[in-house]
Amino acid sequence: QLQLQESGPGLVKPSETLSLTCTVSGGSISSSSYYWGWIRQPPGKGLEWIGSRYYSGSTYYNPSLKSRVTMSLDTSKNQFSLKLNSVTAADTAVYYCARHIVTTILGNSFDYWGQGTLVTVSS
Amino acid sequence: SSELTQDPAVSVALGQTVSITCQGDSLRSYYASWYQQRPGQAPILVIYGKNNRPSGISDRFSGSSSGNTASLTITGAQAEDEADYYCNSRDSSGSHWVFGGGTKLTVL
Repeated sequence: QLQLQESGPGLVKPSETLSLTCTVSGGSISSSSYYWGWIRQPPGKGLEWIGSRYYSGSTYYNPSLKSRVTMSLDTSKNQFSLKLNSVTAADTAVYYCARHIVTTILGNSFDYWGQGTLVTVSS
Repeated sequence: SSELTQDPAVSVALGQTVSITCQGDSLRSYYASWYQQRPGQAPILVIYGKNNRPSGISDRFSGSSSGNTASLTITGAQAEDEADYYCNSRDSSGSHWVFGGGTKLTVL
């Protein structure tokens, strides 16, 4: 059974960089079949796709966040990470990592999710 | 505002059938996937592709699509189906992905 677990600071100061890591167990992030994605949810609000990265390096970011986001993969640790710089209070949210399947026949879906981690931006 | 539009709230009587809709131009070209989120929990995939359910998802959940609208139908709604439901698909450019604003389902 695939499992994903987010980790990182729960409190980040305004203007600093938010850094999160997702550790994957029960499967390899090097698999050619999958993207690995990040989704966030501000308190009391809906889901927002942040970005998805393919094992080979192709990366897609939400246009509204693209200038501040970087996603990377560490295949040696079976982890992928998110960096969001110049954060403000508006970036306060629960951040989820997820496996992202993108196919022509079956469309796209996020089939496995981490439990989520709350990141608060405050001084 | 999201490129995928959902009604904010829908209600259904226990045991009855309810459909939750998602509208967007991209849905003319791409399938939607659907997620259930109970309070305090991570979302769970319930429908993907034309009408596919992951292992462990009740067959009370089904999906369909027509034109620019995708629908999630729950047949014989149960109390445990009370949750927020989100659709997801590509955006109108086809180069990125987007979630709908979510629908809060209340089972009466």
